[in-house]
Formats: sequence, structure tokens, C-alpha cells
Amino acid sequence: GAVVSQHPSWVICKSGTSVKIECRSLDFQATTMFWYRQFPKQSLMLMATSNEGSKATYEQGVEKDKFLINHASLTLSTLTVTSAHPEDSSFYICSAVQGAGVRSYEQYFGPGTRLTVT
Amino acid sequence: LAKTTQPISMDSYEGQEVNITCSHNNIATNDYITWYQQFPSQGPRFIIQGYKTKVTNEVASLFIPADRKSSTLSLPRVSLSDTAVYYCLVGDGGQGNLIFGKGTKLSVKP
Repeated sequence: GAVVSQHPSWVICKSGTSVKIECRSLDFQATTMFWYRQFPKQSLMLMATSNEGSKATYEQGVEKDKFLINHASLTLSTLTVTSAHPEDSSFYICSAVQGAGVRSYEQYFGPGTRLTVT
Repeated sequence: LAKTTQPISMDSYEGQEVNITCSHNNIATNDYITWYQQFPSQGPRFIIQGYKTKVTNEVASLFIPADRKSSTLSLPRVSLSDTAVYYCLVGDGGQGNLIFGKGTKLSVKP
């Protein structure tokens, strides 16, 4: 159980276009989902925290108008990279927390989406 | 935010036990310690989580001393497929305060 999927697994887009990445919790409800970005040979960097039914909380330095996050249901969060540029090329990973308000938790990660902007 | 310190890399051979230690001197009372494994171009995979003393599951053990300022992930009898990056994180749950450090790149050789 506790499976998180992402779609697409990889995408190539032209500079200036927008790309939407979906993150789904397949067998549990996730009130909170997180979005990370990972550049080659680097660690994961938290971009934003997404709570169902409310606005996402962005980490310092992450442009909220460029990385639009929507968490419309307990099983789906989307990240839209608007007006993508080559420097946005990266590996985007989402994660979901099972349960709400629990102290002990496990954060389940999706398989990631490789974005290449040409 | 609790910061973690891990060795950048470790080498081992198949069949050996591997212990990776993580330092987290500023761990808070509510923080749990969680270890993840990541293969290239994949999302991190949960390995084990603990609060204090010892936790064991089917793939690893986690040792946490009484002061909780460090923790050790123990992988018994590693195989080539255990070659990956291992991350130690501390945090208190879905508050978005999990910060990934640089992780430990484990290389298992035949």
C-alpha cells in the first residue's frame, strides 16, 4: 500500500510553454503533499507544501507564479511549470503524507518526473 | 530545523553489514528520524523510521542512542542492488520541515 504515482514520467517541452505534472496517492488519502526538485547529483530541494483545499506554501526562493500548485482533492496535486525555460530542466518529485495530525508519519514519494526544456 | 550530517560516501562488499551514522545535534523533542534510499532517476524509498532505542524491519535496523543526537542505519548483508544514496531526515511530520541533506552514497562491490 501507500503508493504515489506521477504523470508524466518524463516530458520535453519548448522554452516558453507550460507543463503540468500530476501527483496522485493511489491507495490512501493525502491531506498534505510536497513538491521537490532535484538537479543532477544533488539532493532533493523542497519547493512547496501543498494542502488539500488551501493555497500551497512555497519555500523561500521558489516563485509561486512560476510553479503553480493545485491540491484539489485528497488524492491529487498538480504542479504547473509556467513559461518554462532551460534552467527549469530538472527532476521533479512529489510526496504524500498518509494521515493528518499524526506525530509519526511516513512520507511516500512518487517516481519523479524528468522535465527537459529545449 | 534539525540539520543532519552524514558521510558523503561509503564503500562495501557484498555480504557485509553496513552501518551509516547520521548526526543531528539539534533534534527536537517531537522529531522522528527517518531514512530513505534513492536510486538514480527514482523517487526516494522509505526504509525505516524511529524515535528512540532500536527499530528493526525486514530490510534494516535503526539504532538511536538515548540522547537522540545521532542515529545509525544498519543494513545486514548488503548486495549490489543496495548501491544507492541514503538520506537521514529528522522532522515531526507533515509540516514540510523535512530537509534533505547531501545523503550518503553507498557503493557495494562484488
